[in-house]
Amino acid sequence: QSVLTQPPSASGAPGQRVTISCSGSSSNIGSNTVNWYQQLPGTAPKLLIYTNNERPSGVPDRFSGSKSGTSASLAISGLQSEDEADYYCAAWDDSLVGCVFGGGTKLTVL
Amino acid sequence: EVQLVDSGGALVQPGGSLRLSCAASEFTFGSYAMSWVRQAPGKGLEWVSAISGSGGTTYYADSVKGRFTISRDNSKNTLYLQMYSLRAEDTAIYYCAKEKAFVTTVTTYFDYWGQGTLVTVSS
Repeated sequence: QSVLTQPPSASGAPGQRVTISCSGSSSNIGSNTVNWYQQLPGTAPKLLIYTNNERPSGVPDRFSGSKSGTSASLAISGLQSEDEADYYCAAWDDSLVGCVFGGGTKLTVL
Repeated sequence: EVQLVDSGGALVQPGGSLRLSCAASEFTFGSYAMSWVRQAPGKGLEWVSAISGSGGTTYYADSVKGRFTISRDNSKNTLYLQMYSLRAEDTAIYYCAKEKAFVTTVTTYFDYWGQGTLVTVSS
């Protein structure tokens, strides 16, 4: 049971827009920044979004993040086949005194 | 380009010990906090432990507290995870990850990851 809650799966056709939600509490998302990681099949995770809505160099602007209250979202527009991956949200938890992850969302491009 | 190379994974019996290593290069290792994150087979990511750039401050997940010890040798640009009293539920790929600052803070994130090393705990 993950501290942050994500839908286990999401899907969309090429070119469409997809959003992935991440729900937490006042001790994590409600008081700290949210980061998103992309894990392509068989590879290590990669930083996708940091500090709620910032993109590292090299990440396409098709990817965007937002946060409101104790929830966050990752949006992917202009969906491409290479976006098929697992996506994880993460945040620091003040009560647990550690980093917590969501359970991950498997994105399928139809 | 930042490089993190994880090693040390193996098959170990329940109750056994193991030490993982993460060799870092192409950045000033001692200037950044580092973490270990693990992923059980077919499961999601779980943060395990973090250590500040100097090694003076450490954090552990409750699931490993008292059994695992994180450390670093800045002269060798290497991060370690010493694991004791291993259990079947510790079976996972273990990734080292570089943090964005000298110390782990509430705004921390992992900007580079190693390729992972597999630890299997089984008799």
